[in-house]
Amino acid sequence: QKEVEQNSGPLSVPEGAIASLNCTYSDRGSQSFFWYRQYSGKSPELIMFIYSNGDKEDGRFTAQLNKASQYVSLLIRDSQPSDSATYLCAVFGGSEKLVFGKGTKLTVNP
Amino acid sequence: NAGVTQTPKFRILKIGQSMTLQCTQDMNHNYMYWYRQDPGMGLKLIYYSVGAGITDKGEVPNGYNVSRSTTEDFPLRLELAAPSQTSVYFCASSYVGRNNEQFFGPGTRLTVL
Repeated sequence: QKEVEQNSGPLSVPEGAIASLNCTYSDRGSQSFFWYRQYSGKSPELIMFIYSNGDKEDGRFTAQLNKASQYVSLLIRDSQPSDSATYLCAVFGGSEKLVFGKGTKLTVNP
Repeated sequence: NAGVTQTPKFRILKIGQSMTLQCTQDMNHNYMYWYRQDPGMGLKLIYYSVGAGITDKGEVPNGYNVSRSTTEDFPLRLELAAPSQTSVYFCASSYVGRNNEQFFGPGTRLTVL
C-alpha cells in the first residue's frame, strides 16, 4: 500500500514568517511530487511540482525533494494571511494515480 | 481553456434517488478521476479512467458507476443515494506520461437526506 504522510497540523505561523510543510512517502519508485493548496470550500489547486532531488523555487514557494530519505517539503517565505489553507502533498509512482496525503492545515496570523 | 468543469454545483437528493454528476475537460487529458472529500478529511478516489472506454475502481467505488465514452467526458452515476454519500465530489484530469499533474474541477456539493 503506497502511502503519503503529512502532519495534520494545524500549523500556525505569524505573518512574515517561514512556514514549513513536510511530507514523507513510502514508494521508493515515486517519480513526481506535487503540492496542492485547498482553501476551505474550494477545490485543490496545484502550486508546485518537483521531479528531481534538490530545491525548486517559484516566488515565495520552495519545494525540496530528497529521494534517498523519501521526503518532500514546501517552504512558504514571508507568509501572508492569504496563505491560510490546507496543503496537500501528492506523489506519482507510475501507477496511474496520484497518492494524496491527508493535508496540513496552515493558519497565518496577522 | 475552461479546464475541468463540473455540474451541478450543489444538489440535494432524497434517500433512494439517483443522479449523474457531470465532468468535462478540454485539455485533451488522457486520464480522468473522481474523488470524494468528506468534511475535514482527505481525498478518496472513487473511480478513474485511463482513456475512452476504460475505467477502473478506486478505493471507495461502492454505490457509484462511471462511463467514459469520449476523451472529454467522465460522468459519475449515483444509484440509490444514501446519507453516507453526502460529500463534496471532485473530478480531475491529467496527462499521464507527460507531467502527471492533476487539475481539479470546482466540485459538486451533494447532500442526501
